[in-house]
Amino acid sequence: DTEVTQTPKHLVMGMTNKKSLKCEQHMGHRAMYWYKQKAKKPPELMFVYSYEKLSINESVPSRFSPECPNSSLLNLHLHALQPEDSALYLCASSQVTGGANTGELFFGEGSRLTVL
Amino acid sequence: LAKTTQPISMDSYEGQEVNITCSHNNIATNDYITWYQQFPSQGPRFIIQGYKTKVTNEVASLFIPADRKSSTLSLPRVSLSDTAVYYCLVGGAPNYGGATNKLIFGTGTLLAVQP
Repeated sequence: DTEVTQTPKHLVMGMTNKKSLKCEQHMGHRAMYWYKQKAKKPPELMFVYSYEKLSINESVPSRFSPECPNSSLLNLHLHALQPEDSALYLCASSQVTGGANTGELFFGEGSRLTVL
Repeated sequence: LAKTTQPISMDSYEGQEVNITCSHNNIATNDYITWYQQFPSQGPRFIIQGYKTKVTNEVASLFIPADRKSSTLSLPRVSLSDTAVYYCLVGGAPNYGGATNKLIFGTGTLLAVQP
């Protein structure tokens, strides 16, 4: 199984709603990532989890709240979003290796979020 | 933090070889160089990864000079379906023990293949 599965594929929410994006992988990867991608732009790193601990937060607003309940799951909780938060949200995972670094990320297909 | 620079766009024709170069002047000793392909509304897909010299797989080759300050992705005999954005990344996944390295995407190169 070499897949990263993201749900839902599409989400429309109002600015007062609370919703969550989910990501799952069964490759035994111990690093998981959230990226945000706007149209015609590269993916922007948001959060990195390593061994279920948050290791990088790229100064993301608190209306985005990540959670890693176990080594296979990654959630992104959304609350009080703004229309400019509309984007494709990508989840990725990778092996964690002692010593040399690698950068082989396995991405999901993304969740397309629209904030009205 | 290693920053990458790529051409914004390239044009090619079916059957040609395409070479996309990425500049990464401040690459760190432990950093790997990884290339991804992305189609619209899909997640990026891993193409190839290397540390130094040349790496080849079934879809591409990666050339890395001795100073590692640049790298070139080579796509042999491109087809229309190779039209996509290609990103080069420099860096690595978090190390065991919690040390972290960021994986930051550069602007990418939009490759347009014409018949």
